[in-house]
Amino acid sequence: GAGVSQSPSNKVTEKGKDVELRCDPISGHTALYWYRQRLGQGLEFLIYFQGNSAPDKSGLPSDRFSAERTGESVSTLTIQRTQQEDSAVYLCASSLGGNTEAFFGQGTRLTVV
Amino acid sequence: AQRVTQPEKLLSVFKGAPVELKCNYSYSGSPELFWYVQYSRQRLQLLLRHISRESIKGFTADLNKGETSFHLKKPFAQEEDSAMYYCALGTGGTSYGKLTFGQGTILTVHP
Repeated sequence: GAGVSQSPSNKVTEKGKDVELRCDPISGHTALYWYRQRLGQGLEFLIYFQGNSAPDKSGLPSDRFSAERTGESVSTLTIQRTQQEDSAVYLCASSLGGNTEAFFGQGTRLTVV
Repeated sequence: AQRVTQPEKLLSVFKGAPVELKCNYSYSGSPELFWYVQYSRQRLQLLLRHISRESIKGFTADLNKGETSFHLKKPFAQEEDSAMYYCALGTGGTSYGKLTFGQGTILTVHP
């Protein structure tokens, strides 16, 4: 595709439910990032995948958050037992590597009610 | 470990005034620095990177390794410059390393 694609664009879920967010990176990009952006706040790093290396999970806020990526393709971010404080825009980005331009998706706006 | 600091969360200037968005980094190796911008309702996108030494939309940024800074400057701010700006640090080569972002600065340019 032309850019990083995220789905869904918007997701409203009830507190306590699980959600899955999807990211399709740019083909050939080995690096993939997930960030969270709360209303009026900056980017919070969540997780980073680089090729076949073990992911850097240091930004995941709790064990309710997990992410997977198979090879250099699609990634899914899963949030279990959602809480209201999980409401945010979740951004995915991909790049050729750590010192190259990152391309961002349009984000998934998650609202937990 | 690498770190990026943007000391100003909010910055307000009037149209035509100079603007400087500060960015300091911490990294022991050879850094690659970027500025990203997010306009209202648009995707976060690259504004400029230090290695290309370009001026984009009138903005420039110089890497100062002595001061470990990469401040973003524009001599005459425009209303359309109002946006969220992020400084980012890249480390390692193309097969390892990751981008570390600062917390961002919201720039508001008043008419």
